[in-house]
Amino acid sequence: AQSVSQHNHHVILSEAASLELGCNYSYGGTVNLFWYVQYPGQHLQLLLKYFSGDPLVKGIKGFEAEFIKSKFSFNLRKPSVQWSDTAEYFCAVNPPDNYGQNFVFGPGTRLSVLP
Amino acid sequence: GAVVSQHPSRVICKSGTSVKIECRSLDFQATTMFWYRQFPKQSLMLMATSNEGSKATYEQGVEKDKFLINHASLTLSTLTVTSAHPEDSSFYICSAREEGFNNSPLHFGNGTRLTVT
Repeated sequence: AQSVSQHNHHVILSEAASLELGCNYSYGGTVNLFWYVQYPGQHLQLLLKYFSGDPLVKGIKGFEAEFIKSKFSFNLRKPSVQWSDTAEYFCAVNPPDNYGQNFVFGPGTRLSVLP
Repeated sequence: GAVVSQHPSRVICKSGTSVKIECRSLDFQATTMFWYRQFPKQSLMLMATSNEGSKATYEQGVEKDKFLINHASLTLSTLTVTSAHPEDSSFYICSAREEGFNNSPLHFGNGTRLTVT
């Protein structure tokens, strides 16, 4: 089945460590890609998005993601995490119209940053 | 595992009519559910937070009287688009988290594509 996968369910890092969260999708064709974050007790917030153009996308709060079409990946990175980055991170995809799906989320990755 | 069921997945209605979208948590209870919409070529936007047994909390710019949210039970929240107009055509999606489990994942419905003609 077509899907979005995230490599890690739970990631634990110390402050100042580097972060990379994996995201892969299984849709062929042109896709729109997103990373969202949900802080404890809050709703989803958009970190960054890719529609076209430069495959290296910079988002808010020092996050960036790289779209690698050949690998069907859109991994999220941050050079140095902070305690305040503790949250859930969701990769999401707008598949091409022919798949009949509108918006598909990955299962999420919980990030815990230790002070 | 926990599943959020959203119905219908697609709906086409005429301008001026109302459309109800249901969001159900199938095997868990959810005191809080979130409703989002996505316009083409844009990201999701939070419309409102649905609270079981109380009034929904709407985001700025979202018309409460147009987008009626009812969260009558711990497993069901509904979004009714009243007097729909073509500009309401969009993708609507809900999400919910299992209650009582701080580390439980957030579950999303499959969304509803609304087309108003």
